[in-house]
Amino acid sequence: SQKIEQNSEALNIQEGKTATLTCNYTNYSPAYLQWYRQDPGRGPVFLLLIRENEKEKRKERLKVTFDTTLKQSLFHITASQPADSATYLCALDDYKLSFGAGTTVTVRA
Amino acid sequence: ETGVTQTPRHLVMGMTNKKSLKCEQHLGHNAMYWYKQSAKKPLELMFVYSLEERVENNSVPSRFSPECPNSSHLFLHLHTLQPEDSALYLCASSQELTGLSSYNSPLHFGNGTRLTVT
Repeated sequence: SQKIEQNSEALNIQEGKTATLTCNYTNYSPAYLQWYRQDPGRGPVFLLLIRENEKEKRKERLKVTFDTTLKQSLFHITASQPADSATYLCALDDYKLSFGAGTTVTVRA
Repeated sequence: ETGVTQTPRHLVMGMTNKKSLKCEQHLGHNAMYWYKQSAKKPLELMFVYSLEERVENNSVPSRFSPECPNSSHLFLHLHTLQPEDSALYLCASSQELTGLSSYNSPLHFGNGTRLTVT
């Protein structure tokens, strides 16, 4: 099965800056990759899905890229706000949907 | 609200107790899931149901017993649990069965049941 690694457990950034989160996988490239947001005491909420034939996907201030050569997805939050503080999970198709452990983002005002 | 409701939100039980977790989805989805989330660890898939039929049992100990009486309801029956079973148990649903490459329906999660086994 896939091993999924998300960069450092925690990321602290200043409001207005861009947060960049990394999701690396080890084996075959999945057909698609999903990103979720999880707030404390809540379940994950779906944000974006990107397919293997798509290089980039955007939704408002969020941008996801998918590089099958590097076996990596990058998740960007531009013009970050304190309300963006949460844990972000990547998930990929590995027969079943497999999740990374998440990266906790804290945006300082 | 997410469209997926889990009860109770918190549960404390002894190792000899029997309890059940309940999940209800109001989204008309065909697939439902149980996940376990422990601190600092990835979500662990426990069980998958598609159209009320169990399609995945991810090597889960028999002290966890799922039940899916219809496509809107999912239960997780618990008995003789261990302290290491303490975790957040999340229910999710999707339009179609996800993770089979042909399908890529996002998961809709409930807010979980925080289980503490004493």
